[in-house]
Amino acid sequence: GIQVEQSPPDLILQEGANSTLRCNFSDSVNNLQWFHQNPWGQLINLFYIPSGTKQNGRLSATTVATERYSLLYISSSQTTDSGVYFCAVTSYDKVIFGPGTSLSVIP
Amino acid sequence: DAGVIQSPRHEVTEMGQEVTLRCKPISGHDYLFWYRQTMMRGLELLIYFNNNVPIDDSGMPEDRFSAKMPNASFSTLKIQPSEPRDSAVYFCASSPRRDNYGYTFGSGTRLTVV
Repeated sequence: GIQVEQSPPDLILQEGANSTLRCNFSDSVNNLQWFHQNPWGQLINLFYIPSGTKQNGRLSATTVATERYSLLYISSSQTTDSGVYFCAVTSYDKVIFGPGTSLSVIP
Repeated sequence: DAGVIQSPRHEVTEMGQEVTLRCKPISGHDYLFWYRQTMMRGLELLIYFNNNVPIDDSGMPEDRFSAKMPNASFSTLKIQPSEPRDSAVYFCASSPRRDNYGYTFGSGTRLTVV
C-alpha cells in the first residue's frame, strides 16, 4: 500500500521561530490533508491541499503532487502551536496518516 | 451540526470483557472511518464504510474486533474479548465525499483494558 513519511519526527522551537514540516508519499494520491492534534488529543483539519499553495494566518501549505511531497510552514510560532502535525493522504477512498511530527514551542 | 459524536469518552474494562464503542457521523456524510491511535503504531485505519457498507477492513487487527453500521447515523466498534494490548484511543471520522474534503474527526474514546 501507499507509504507516508514525515520529517522531522520531533521539533523544538523557541516562540517566534519559523519551521517547515515535510510529508513524502510513495504513490499518486487523490488528496492530501494536514491535521493538528492538540495536547488534549483533538484532531483538527488545517488544510485540504491536493496541489498548490494555501495560507491560513501564520500557517501555509504547499503540495507538489507530481513530486509526491507536501510542506507545512509555521511562521512566528506560538506555544499554542504545540502538538503533533499529521499529513494524511487519500488513495481511492482510504485516508492514510503519516507518523506525525511532534512540535514543542517553548516560551 | 454537532460534529462527529463518539461515546463513551473514556472506558476502563477488565481483560476478557466485551467493549462497544459508538460513533454518530455528521448527517449527510457517506463515509465513516474507524482509527486506533497508540504511541507505538500511530494512527491506524481499522475499517471504513461507504453508505453503511464496509469497504475495507484489512486494518482490523484480529477476529476479536468487529464493526457495524446498521444505518447512516450510527456505527459501532466491538472488541470481544478485550485484552490489555487493545488499550488505545479509538477515533471515528466521517466525510461527505470520496476525496474526503470535509473530513472530520470525533473526540475519540480512550480505552483502558486492565
